[in-house]
Amino acid sequence: AQSVTQPDIHITVSEGASLELRCNYSYGATPYLFWYVQSPGQGLQLLLKYFSGDTLVQGIKGFEAEFKRSQSSFNLRKPSVHWSDAAEYFCAVVLISGGYNKLIFGAGTRLAVHP
Amino acid sequence: NAGVTQTPKFRILKIGQSMTLQCTQDMNHNYMYWYRQDPGMGLKLIYYSVGAGITDKGEVPNGYNVSRSTTEDFPLRLELAAPSQTSVYFCASSYSMKPPGELFFGEGSRLTVL
Repeated sequence: AQSVTQPDIHITVSEGASLELRCNYSYGATPYLFWYVQSPGQGLQLLLKYFSGDTLVQGIKGFEAEFKRSQSSFNLRKPSVHWSDAAEYFCAVVLISGGYNKLIFGAGTRLAVHP
Repeated sequence: NAGVTQTPKFRILKIGQSMTLQCTQDMNHNYMYWYRQDPGMGLKLIYYSVGAGITDKGEVPNGYNVSRSTTEDFPLRLELAAPSQTSVYFCASSYSMKPPGELFFGEGSRLTVL
């Protein structure tokens, strides 16, 4: 069954430091992959997505993610973190069921940013 | 742009009570979803709809019901509230499922069952 795993529950980085959030997926075919961000008290917002083609995808707010088929990973990166990036980040993969595609989310990684 | 609107934002229920969480979108999206979010568990899909009159179960449908009489509205009903249904509920919509398009989320409804 398709699934997605985010190994890190909490990550703390200093402002200006680089960031990498890990995401591993389980899928038989080429997956559709997403990263969403949730600010406190808010709904989720799409950061970026991968369907096919270039394995390095650019998103909003300076984020990027790289699809690595050999490692079944889709890690999110940012070269320099800002205090406003403190939020919870969710990786998601498409589940195909009953002919329809639905998003399945990982458990999330909560990012704290120290000044 | 209103996007996806959920009401109420907060609600406290007693065990056994019933209530409906309302969700409306103004983007003319065919696809709508209800998720629940529990700490450390991510989001779990409760129900989804691919258009007016068509709904189907997600990962965790027990204890919930939905209807989709119009494109805009997708209410979620809890018939007999239980403490296990204490959670934050998110409604979302998208323009496509094949391939899946971006999901647009409401701001959530925090439900506590005591």
